[in-house]
Order: sequence, then structure tokens, then C-alpha cells
Amino acid sequence: DVKVTQSSRYLVKRTGEKVFLECVQDMDHENMFWYRQDPGLGLRLIYFSYDVKMKEKGDIPEGYSVSREKKERFSLILESASTNQTSMYLCATKKTQGIIDGYTFGSGTRLTVV
Amino acid sequence: GIQVEQSPPDLILQEGANSTLRCNFSDSVNNLQWFHQNPWGQLINLFYIPSGTKQNGRLSATTVATERYSLLYISSSQTTDSGVYFCAVPSQRNYQLIWGAGTKLIIKP
Repeated sequence: DVKVTQSSRYLVKRTGEKVFLECVQDMDHENMFWYRQDPGLGLRLIYFSYDVKMKEKGDIPEGYSVSREKKERFSLILESASTNQTSMYLCATKKTQGIIDGYTFGSGTRLTVV
Repeated sequence: GIQVEQSPPDLILQEGANSTLRCNFSDSVNNLQWFHQNPWGQLINLFYIPSGTKQNGRLSATTVATERYSLLYISSSQTTDSGVYFCAVPSQRNYQLIWGAGTKLIIKP
């Protein structure tokens, strides 16, 4: 079965810390995404990547960066964590078949910044 | 950019009931997807439905693209249907998904 694995299910970090959220896929998909999910706001796109070493800003990139050195791994980096970055973070991959974009999501990382 | 609105925001039903969830979008789209997020956070795609009607077991979805809305029907609800249902459409800016805020469904036994 195809998988998108996020390294941590729950994470608690202190304000100002540098935080790494890791996402690994075993499906050889080119496209990978980082979203954050907040109540009442749905999912908002932080960054996405369509190939190794390629990245594009999403709708809310401020305070985040990403790294994609290998096809299977897409990392989200909080350079200096702040309390307003407390959220659920979801990683996803996408494979396009014809006109259909098929998304596969990880289980999420619930990050609390104190 | 495109706005996506879902209603109702919350829905509590008894097992066995039927439900209709609505998704309105502010501009024409060539793609719409429905997703379910279970109470443990796992998101899965339910339907890819830019127009017309599709059925999958107890779930069906209808999109009326000309009127800019989509409906998700759940019949004979089960407790395992609980969770949050999202609809999403592509952004005109970068072709990535724009998500509604979701409908949180609770099915009571």
C-alpha cells in the first residue's frame, strides 16, 4: 500500500526554536505539498515542490522554508517557531493521471509551540 | 481568488440518518474534489467530480458547475462516517487546491 509518512504525530517546541517536520513518500511522485490546518480555515498551502530541489511558495509561506534534496523526502522548516504556528501540519503527494489529480496525505503532525 | 464555502459547519446525526453537505464556489472551475478526514486526522479523497453525479456505495456527489455548487450525500449514516468533509477546487493562480473550511459530521450510535 502506498504511503506518506510524517515523522512525528505530536510535537511540542519552544518559541524561537528551529523546527523540522519531515515527510517521506514511497510512491515516486514528483509533486509534494505542505499544508497547515486550522479550525474554521480548512487547509492552507504553505509550500509545494514539483521536483527535486524545486519549490514554490503557496498561500502562506511566511515564517516557513522547505527542502527537497531527494525525491522521496520533503521537509518543512520553521526557522524560529512562534506560538501562531501552533497547528496541524499535513504533508501530501500528488499524481496526475489524465485529468485526475490523485492526492495522498500523511497522518499529520500536531505542533504546539509554547 | 476563488472562494469556497461549505455548509453546514457542523452536523450531528443519529446512526441511520441521511445527510446533505454543500459546497459553493465563487468562480467557474474545471475540477472539484471531496475529501474525508477521519477523527484521527487521516485525509482521503472521496470523489473527483467537476460536473455531474457519481456514486460510491452509500456516498454520492453531484456538481452543478453552471450554478457553482456541489453536494455530497451520505445515506444510512454509520459512526465510521464521522469526521470532517472538505471540498476543494484548483486555484487560478498556481493550480493548487483551494479548500473549504469543512463540515464536521458527528454520527451518534
